Amino acid sequence: SAVISQKPSRDICQRGTSLTIQCQVDSQVTMMFWYRQQPGQSLTLIATANQGSEATYESGFVIDKFPISRPNLTFSTLTVSNMSPEDSSIYLCSVALAGVGGELFFGEGSRLTVL
Amino acid sequence: GQSLEQPSEVTAVEGAIVQINCTYQTSGFYGLSWYQQHDGGAPTFLSYNALDGLEETGRFSSFLSRSDSYGYLLLQELQMKDSASYFCAVSNYKLSFGAGTTVTVRA
Repeated sequence: SAVISQKPSRDICQRGTSLTIQCQVDSQVTMMFWYRQQPGQSLTLIATANQGSEATYESGFVIDKFPISRPNLTFSTLTVSNMSPEDSSIYLCSVALAGVGGELFFGEGSRLTVL
Repeated sequence: GQSLEQPSEVTAVEGAIVQINCTYQTSGFYGLSWYQQHDGGAPTFLSYNALDGLEETGRFSSFLSRSDSYGYLLLQELQMKDSASYFCAVSNYKLSFGAGTTVTVRA
């Protein structure tokens, strides 16, 4: 299994500012993903964080808005840039230990409210 | 792309059996997973089916028919703690989630 720590757990942000979310895993993992979940909604994949290379973004998400770093196999950050109220959501870090088809482990999420 | 359909909500009494159906459309299908999420918590893995048939894990079972692009999660002997959202998810190179089914268990 994997234990994932996310910071911050929640934050209230002002419109136009940026916030960086940190994700720390207790073991080295190849595959790390960032999801967004709006209250009462499904999980939407933002990007796959690749160690040593640029993240792979899903349709509708761009690097300028959601820059991602992956400096090593246990850590990643997601920045939500130039925030607007539409960015109010829960952002979840997840990892796969045995390929995409297997189990994903999730962090507890970072709940952002943008005023 | 991927699309998944599952019922939005189900209500049942303690001790009952609930079946949550999931139909999907995707390319490059590897398998179907199920996740449970309690209010305010992280999603947790329940099961994964790569091949046709039934997988049983305690009170929960999951079924897959690849030819029908269909699967279901069966919750047996429902308990109050089973009240949660349940998501089906299809995997190819990534995991794509359905909209979720809210299960409410009544006493």
